[in-house]
Amino acid sequence: NAGVTQTPKFRILKIGQSMTLQCTQDMNHNYMYWYRQDPGMGLKLIYYSVGAGITDKGEVPNGYNVSRSTTEDFPLRLELAAPSQTSVYFCASSATGALSYGYTFGSGTRLTVV
Amino acid sequence: GEDVEQSLFLSVREGDSSVINCTYTDSSSTYLYWYKQEPGAGLQLLTYIFSNMDMKQDQRLTVLLNKKDKHLSLRIADTQTGDSAIYFCAEVGNTDKLIFGTGTRLQVFP
Repeated sequence: NAGVTQTPKFRILKIGQSMTLQCTQDMNHNYMYWYRQDPGMGLKLIYYSVGAGITDKGEVPNGYNVSRSTTEDFPLRLELAAPSQTSVYFCASSATGALSYGYTFGSGTRLTVV
Repeated sequence: GEDVEQSLFLSVREGDSSVINCTYTDSSSTYLYWYKQEPGAGLQLLTYIFSNMDMKQDQRLTVLLNKKDKHLSLRIADTQTGDSAIYFCAEVGNTDKLIFGTGTRLQVFP
């Protein structure tokens, strides 16, 4: 029972580099989300998806892109990394949106941009 | 706009009760949640309460909801060192997505 799997767990990027944070879930959930967590700031929604082929911006989408070609996968792309993107990134999924019994979270990716 | 507020830190002695408080702004929230985050891990759903309830109890956990004041609290009885974590309150916003608070770091000392 893998749930939501995120890779990598840690990454250091140089300013201007690009990378993709991977997220996959095996629960056949339609809804998937990307959050970033900064100290004392809680979780901020970056992007979300309500199903394969459908994505939409959250609260803090600038500097990020996503795609949802399958139900299982929801990768997050950083094109030109900036120090402000140093954060912990969490992927989450749910069966029917927030009105189901909350979200299932991955264990996170800690990203440092130097 | 939607906002969820929590105090950042709480320190309690092992065996005492912990009370973590949360205020929210969206009076139409139908569900309110408490999540627990242990060091280096993702968030785990701890408990939730429907907006038509005032209280929910689950073993050592008691959730109290005051809709008039838009105040939610989580009480942990007989707090243990294993309860040390960050606790997040969350409400369902008007866009059917979870809005999280800043998190309260609970430290339990012997």
